[in-house]
Amino acid sequence: NAGVMQNPRHLVRRRGQEARLRCSPMKGHSHVYWYRQLPEEGLKFMVYLQKENIIDESGMPKERFSAEFPKEGPSILRIQQVVRGDSAAYFCASSTKGGTSWAEQYFGPGTRLTVT
Amino acid sequence: GDSVTQMEGPVTLSEEAFLTINCTYTATGYPSLFWYVQYPGEGLQLLLKATKADDKGSNKGFEATYRKETTSFHLEKGSVQVSDSAVYFCALSDPGGGADGLTFGKGTHLIIQP
Repeated sequence: NAGVMQNPRHLVRRRGQEARLRCSPMKGHSHVYWYRQLPEEGLKFMVYLQKENIIDESGMPKERFSAEFPKEGPSILRIQQVVRGDSAAYFCASSTKGGTSWAEQYFGPGTRLTVT
Repeated sequence: GDSVTQMEGPVTLSEEAFLTINCTYTATGYPSLFWYVQYPGEGLQLLLKATKADDKGSNKGFEATYRKETTSFHLEKGSVQVSDSAVYFCALSDPGGGADGLTFGKGTHLIIQP
């Protein structure tokens, strides 16, 4: 069973460009979480999605950031008009359950975004 | 809001030494507690967990006990190996408190010298 897959592993963008980060959950998992890890910081929750639904986006910056998890295909985290402060590692996790029913979250290897 | 505080690193130990990494938390609900480990270039792996007070999580020689009275979940191992070198994250899940994602500490970089 393949683990959580993220691509690209490394992404370099110039200020003002768009960044698209992809996450394919483990087979059978319908819950996806995105986290951001800034340098010297722990992971911060950004958004929780189920297929075709955003359940909790309380950790998402109000502007330029969006996420989706379509019926078919990977989950996408999109950052428009990137700035240097967006440089970070972005991790995706998936699980079989969410909300008040806890299930282990399996993490992908992350995408390291560098904005120049 | 919820928060997790863990000891700053790096922590450098010799092989076979005893390890303690402190972790304390604040939460509005009744959280589950976790330790994750991150090896270089990889994602996080769940090391152990405890879902209620006085539970002890254990795996690969690591242990941590959920102490509600001290709001702590310290990670311990009796004899560390070079292969234990990694970054360790303490985390909590508190969906009853309104948060769907995990809340992480900043991580502790552990270096084991032969």
